[in-house]
Order: sequence, then C-alpha cells, then structure tokens
Amino acid sequence: AQKVTQAQTEISVVEKEDVTLDCVYETRDTTYYLFWYKQPPSGELVFLIRRNSFDEQNEISGRYSWNFQKSTSSFNFTITASQVVDSAVYFCALSEAKGNKLVFGAGTILRVKS
Amino acid sequence: SAVISQKPSRDICQRGTSLTIQCQVDSQVTMMFWYRQQPGQSLTLIATANQGSEATYESGFVIDKFPISRPNLTFSTLTVSNMSPEDSSIYLCSGGLATMNEQFFGPGTRLTVL
Repeated sequence: AQKVTQAQTEISVVEKEDVTLDCVYETRDTTYYLFWYKQPPSGELVFLIRRNSFDEQNEISGRYSWNFQKSTSSFNFTITASQVVDSAVYFCALSEAKGNKLVFGAGTILRVKS
Repeated sequence: SAVISQKPSRDICQRGTSLTIQCQVDSQVTMMFWYRQQPGQSLTLIATANQGSEATYESGFVIDKFPISRPNLTFSTLTVSNMSPEDSSIYLCSGGLATMNEQFFGPGTRLTVL
C-alpha cells in the first residue's frame, strides 16, 4: 500500500528564514510520481511540482527547491528566504504509474511571521 | 495545464437533503477524480470518474451515498446524498492527462450541513 508521511504538523518561522518541509513515502511500485501542492487560506490547491521516480535530480524554481532521495524515500521541499505569502498548508502526494490516483500526506501548516 | 471550475463554490444544506456539485474542465482530460477534505484534514480520494460508465469508488465510499456521473471528457458531477453534518467538507474535483500523470484541482466546493 502507498503511504505519505509528513511528520511536521506545523512550522512557524520568521520572514526571510529558510524552511524545509519533510516528506517520506512508501510504495512497492518501481515507477511512481511525487507531488507538492500548496493550499493557501483561500482553499484552492496549487500545483507546485511533479517528480517521477527515475529522475533524482534536485530542482530549483526561484525560492523553492526540492530534494528527492530514493535511498531514504524522501522528497523534501525547501523555501529560501520565506515570505508571509508563503503561509499555507503544504501537501506532499504520491501516485502510482497507472491510475494516477493521488495519496496525500497529512499536510504541514507553514506560518511565516513578519 | 487544465483549468477546472466547480459549482457551487459553497453551500449550506439541511440534514437529509442532497447536493450535486458540478466540475468542468477547459480541455479534454483522460482522468477525473473527486476528493473530500474534512475540516483540518488532508485530502481523501472518493472515486475515479469514468467517462460513460460507473465510477470506481475507494474503500469507505459507496455509490448510493456519492453518485458520480461523467457524460463526456470535460464534465463530471458528484452528488452528496442524504446529507448529515459529518458530510461537511470541501469537495474537490481534479483532472489531468494519464500520459503526463498530472493532476490539477478545481477551487473546491465548501459544504456545510446543518
């Protein structure tokens, strides 16, 4: 069975601090996809990134970066120089190659204070 | 990417009634899904909406309670039947292309059952 664990329930940082959100996953599939979504207070789910299991290259997009390590089954997300607008719930998710159904982690609430 | 809209955006309903939520995608997608997000919780998959045939339900969800239709590639409905206060949640529709293993989400329908 597939499972996603986000052990950090809530993180509070001060603006301009760097913050890393942890994600650990379990799957028996050799081909799978990992996702991060952001859910701001307005409630919509914003797609941030998709990674397939064969691509372990880290990715950077502006202040966002992702560290995918198959050896530890982790797909961590770092926000550099955090801003108040980054305050949201962040979800890590996993899907198998077939079916595309997403299994979500519990989410991490990020609060960035000015 | 796909742009997904949902109607209604929110509703307050009485116990024992039913509500139908509509999901419209701006382009043809192969996969459409319905998720539920209970207050303060993560997202849980209700079912996969299959075009022209019965939806595929996840464990714990049944067709009598959550009938789903998908008459074409860009439209789906979810009905929450015989509602109780425990059905108060955000219901989200998602869609994507199976070949890309991507999923984009609608803005959600915030349902309150009194």
